[in-house]
Amino acid sequence: DAGVTQSPTHLIKTRGQHVTLRCSPISGHKSVSWYQQVLGQGPQFIFQYYEKEERGRGNFPDRFSARQFPNYSSELNVNALLLGDSALYLCASSTFLLDEQFFGPGTRLTVL
Amino acid sequence: GESVGLHLPTLSVQEGDNSIINCAYSNSASDYFIWYKQESGKGPQFIIDIRSNMDKRQGQRVTVLLNKTVKHLSLQIAATQPGDSAVYFCAENANTGNQFYFGTGTSLTVIP
Repeated sequence: DAGVTQSPTHLIKTRGQHVTLRCSPISGHKSVSWYQQVLGQGPQFIFQYYEKEERGRGNFPDRFSARQFPNYSSELNVNALLLGDSALYLCASSTFLLDEQFFGPGTRLTVL
Repeated sequence: GESVGLHLPTLSVQEGDNSIINCAYSNSASDYFIWYKQESGKGPQFIIDIRSNMDKRQGQRVTVLLNKTVKHLSLQIAATQPGDSAVYFCAENANTGNQFYFGTGTSLTVIP
């Protein structure tokens, strides 16, 4: 069975640019969460979507946005990139809202 | 806000010995906890979870203990193997949606 998949695996952008990261959850999972993991730290919660609705938002600026599609895949968008946005962006899926979360391999974003 | 911390940032054990990784949490309302293993360049991998109505749960070679009185969580790995070398995170959920708070992690190194 395919796990959570994310694309791209690596991305290099410059300050001020925009980026879109994509995530496909495990088949049958309806909830997708996004996390940012800075090197040497634990993942920090950004968003959680369930049944295409936002169900949670972490302490991130409005430059960060996301959405979930009818097939439960999700996109994370970041505008006006800053150097500090360089991180591993992780997507996790779960069957329901409060359930085991399974993570994808992440997208490594580097902002120059 | 919530905070999840680990007592020891690094841990080295001999192959075959048992490992104990500790985690302190500050939110007494947290009622669901997950331990994750993260290998270099990969997303966190689910190991075991426990809900607040339990104080112990066992999996294959792993045991999680929850002490709600002192807000402490531990992960015990029996007969530690080189493949167990990774960073281990505890994550807590305070039933405020599906937002999980992660600690900074403990790096486990298994010495052959």
